[in-house]
Amino acid sequence: QSALTQPASVSGSRGQSITISCTGTSSDVGGYNYVSWYQQHPGKAPKLMIYEVSNRPSGVSNRFSGSKSGNTASLTISGLQAEDEADYYCNSYTSSSTYVFGTGTQVTVL
Amino acid sequence: QVQLVQSGAEEKKPGASVKVSCKASGYTFTSYAMHWVRQAPGQRLEWMGWINAGNGNTKYSEKFQDRVTIIRDTSASTAYMELSSLTTEDTAVYYCARNWVGSSWYDYWGQGTLVTVSS
Repeated sequence: QSALTQPASVSGSRGQSITISCTGTSSDVGGYNYVSWYQQHPGKAPKLMIYEVSNRPSGVSNRFSGSKSGNTASLTISGLQAEDEADYYCNSYTSSSTYVFGTGTQVTVL
Repeated sequence: QVQLVQSGAEEKKPGASVKVSCKASGYTFTSYAMHWVRQAPGQRLEWMGWINAGNGNTKYSEKFQDRVTIIRDTSASTAYMELSSLTTEDTAVYYCARNWVGSSWYDYWGQGTLVTVSS
């Protein structure tokens, strides 16, 4: 199972919006609404930000939103803040009953 | 409160095996699954496999199928991941992550266990 494809890096100024893409195939992202997103700060464990494509867990800022079109899922961060600077990973369930992570995206706040 | 506490750092020689534990508290252990995810230095997250803590069923990534074993001890509310035939490329932080059976996301993670493989 190949990793889902994400851009290596995305940057934006404080207050701006950015979008991170996560491209898979019809056997993973495109086949199920089982895409989740994780934020990881250096040296820390990942934190769940979005589940089932567009649902936000309790306690996660509403500046984070998710969507999906075909084989590509997206995470949008609006009103970018300094604390949003981190690595972000998508994850999808697959047709093999396994899971796969994305290649990861480093977000920089300018 | 939900907690997943992992065992401490390990140093192993190439060819050896390592067993990492993940002790759960604050919830009904058998109502959830436990996944294992690893991250090599500076690299991406990599899904390894999972166990249904209720019935013991497992599923492994094809990449690790021949070398990984995930088990659980319900009396101790602990999941274990054993990786055999270690090489230097297995040097990584290994995480356990909780997943409600029937859902597709990981809501709580362990603190991570660094496994270093070096001759």
